[in-house]
Amino acid sequence: EAQVTQNPRYLITVTGKKLTVTCSQNMNHEYMSWYRQDPGLGLRQIYYSMNVEVTDKGDVPEGYKVSRKEKRNFPLILESPSPNQTSLYFCASSSRTGGTEAFFGQGTRLTVV
Amino acid sequence: DAKTTQPNSMESNEEEPVHLPCNHSTISGTDYIHWYRQLPSQGPEYVIHGLTSNVNNRMASLAIAEDRKSSTLILHRATLRDAAVYYCILRSIHGSGNTGKLIFGQGTTLQVKP
Repeated sequence: EAQVTQNPRYLITVTGKKLTVTCSQNMNHEYMSWYRQDPGLGLRQIYYSMNVEVTDKGDVPEGYKVSRKEKRNFPLILESPSPNQTSLYFCASSSRTGGTEAFFGQGTRLTVV
Repeated sequence: DAKTTQPNSMESNEEEPVHLPCNHSTISGTDYIHWYRQLPSQGPEYVIHGLTSNVNNRMASLAIAEDRKSSTLILHRATLRDAAVYYCILRSIHGSGNTGKLIFGQGTTLQVKP
């Protein structure tokens, strides 16, 4: 079954404690990205990756890091989380061109206190 | 990036057809029209996409205007499980640049009444 898997689904952490949200896809997609969703602001792209070792900033990259060492994995790293990073996060994957569908993970609800 | 305009909300009765409109007057010739929906507490889910011709799949139909400046997502028989936020999104056909990016607007919140 084609899927994007994120972990954990829920996370409560304290300010400044480094954390990683994992994302894995089983469709051999080149393109992967991270979004955050906040009330009234919709879904906004944080970072994206066009292929292994190729990553770039999206619209709201401040405070986040990513890496793409393998095609299937695209972890999101918060080196020093702050309360304004409390949000719902989604990982997505797709092929690079516009004529195919994108697949989303189930989401990670992060609370930073 | 070309933008889309959708009504904020719509209501439907269960088992009736639903027509969700989307305007995209600045669409380019290389943009696909995609529809996604997001059920409560879930990630966005692909519904359908098309380029020029009308499209049908098991979930819905997509009717694209001849000038491509608008489209309509058609749910043939709405169920309570179809209550969700529906997003109309344009995505370039090209394989370079950030073409995988999906620009989500506010979408249309569909309420289905029993």
